Amino acid sequence: EDKVVQSPLSLVVHEGDTVTLNCSYEVTNFRSLLWYKQEKKAPTFLFMLTSSGIEKKSGRLSSILDKKELFSILNITATQTGDSAVYLCAVGGAGSYQLTFGKGTKLSVIP
Amino acid sequence: NAGVTQTPKFQVLKTGQSMTLQCAQDMNHEYMSWYRQDPGMGLRLIHYSVGAGITDQGEVPNGYNVSRSTTEDFPLRLLSAAPSQTSVYFCASSPPSEGYYEQYFGPGTRLTVT
Repeated sequence: EDKVVQSPLSLVVHEGDTVTLNCSYEVTNFRSLLWYKQEKKAPTFLFMLTSSGIEKKSGRLSSILDKKELFSILNITATQTGDSAVYLCAVGGAGSYQLTFGKGTKLSVIP
Repeated sequence: NAGVTQTPKFQVLKTGQSMTLQCAQDMNHEYMSWYRQDPGMGLRLIHYSVGAGITDQGEVPNGYNVSRSTTEDFPLRLLSAAPSQTSVYFCASSPPSEGYYEQYFGPGTRLTVT
C-alpha cells in the first residue's frame, strides 16, 4: 500500500521567513511526486517531480526530489501572508492512475 | 472556460437517502476523478475515469457509484447515505499529463448526513 507522510503537520512563521516542508513516501514503482496548495477551497497544482525532473522552481517556491532517500522538500522563501494554506504532497506509481495524498502541512504566515 | 464545476455546494441528507453529486468540465479532459476529504486526512480517491464509458475504483469506493457517458460529465451517486459519508467531496480532471497526475479540482461539495 502506497504511503505519504508529511511533516510538520502545522507551522507558524512570520512574514519574510523561509520555510521547508517535508514529504516522505513509499510507493510501488514510483512515477511522480506532486505538490498542491489548498487555501479555503480546492487544491491547486504547484509542481510535479519525476525521475527526469527532480528539481522545480517557480518564483519563491522550489522543490527537490530525492529518489534514493524517498523524500521531497518544498521551500518557500520570503514568505507572505498569501502563502498561508495547507500544502499537500501526493505520489503516483507506474501503471496507476491513482494519486496517494499525505495529510498535509498547514502553514500560517503572520505579519 | 469555467474549468471544473460541481453542484450542489452544500447538501444535508438523512441516513438512507440517495443523491447524485454533479461534476462537469469544459476542458475536454479524458481523466476525471472523485475524492473525499475528511478533517485531518488527506484527499482519498473514490472513483476515477480515463474516458467516456471507462470507470474504475479508487481507495474508498464502497457506498458510491459512478458512470461516464460523456467526456464532460462525471456524476457521483450515493446509494444509501450514511453518517460516515459526511465529508467534503472534490471532483477533478486532468489533461493527458504524466499519469494524469496534474489535476484541476472543482470547488467542492460539503455533504452532511444526519
